[in-house]
Amino acid sequence: DAKTTQPPSMDCAEGRAANLPCNHSTISGNEYVYWYRQIHSQGPQYIIHGLKNNETNEMASLIITEDRKSSTLILPHATLRDTAVYYCIVRPPGSNYQLIWGAGTKLIIKP
Amino acid sequence: EADIYQTPRYLVIGTGKKITLECSQTMGHDKMYWYQQDPGMELHLIHYSYGVNSTEKGDLSSESTVSRIRTEHFPLTLESARPSHTSQYLCASSATGDKNIQYFGAGTRLSVL
Repeated sequence: DAKTTQPPSMDCAEGRAANLPCNHSTISGNEYVYWYRQIHSQGPQYIIHGLKNNETNEMASLIITEDRKSSTLILPHATLRDTAVYYCIVRPPGSNYQLIWGAGTKLIIKP
Repeated sequence: EADIYQTPRYLVIGTGKKITLECSQTMGHDKMYWYQQDPGMELHLIHYSYGVNSTEKGDLSSESTVSRIRTEHFPLTLESARPSHTSQYLCASSATGDKNIQYFGAGTRLSVL
């Protein structure tokens, strides 16, 4: 299983872009990068996923390096409600593969 | 917005009581999961199901049991609650072919006195 490394915590000013890094140097060719977040005391929420191309949806953008050994989740205009723990997970896409949750990055958005 | 519901949201109960945590989803997902999470800690998979009458234990050993009699319903039962069972329990579901995306309920925070 590919392991991920994320900083334990980050701060970002409200209204600025929040860039959350993730290292996954042992990622396999068929493994996707998934991002979830967990707002305090709630269940995790899916944000975005990608294989090798950059992806964007209504919540965030995902930038994956060409060698796929690292990625960055970008929240373009962070709000106070984006304060949460953000998890980067690498797994094959089939749902027979269980998600393995690390400690994530605690992102604090400051006014 | 995911349609997966957990009840109760909070439960305080005495040692030795039998409890059932409810989880239901209206998305028709075939796969369902139970995770346990202590405050500030990682999520650990304790049970999962790939469909009706299919249940498996997860990576974290748990004294709880689960059943899957209907697609939409995946209850978790503790026959005799103990203080060591105090934790948050999170239910999730996913659909085959949906790129391993799991949708979570709000969780049940259990306190055993």
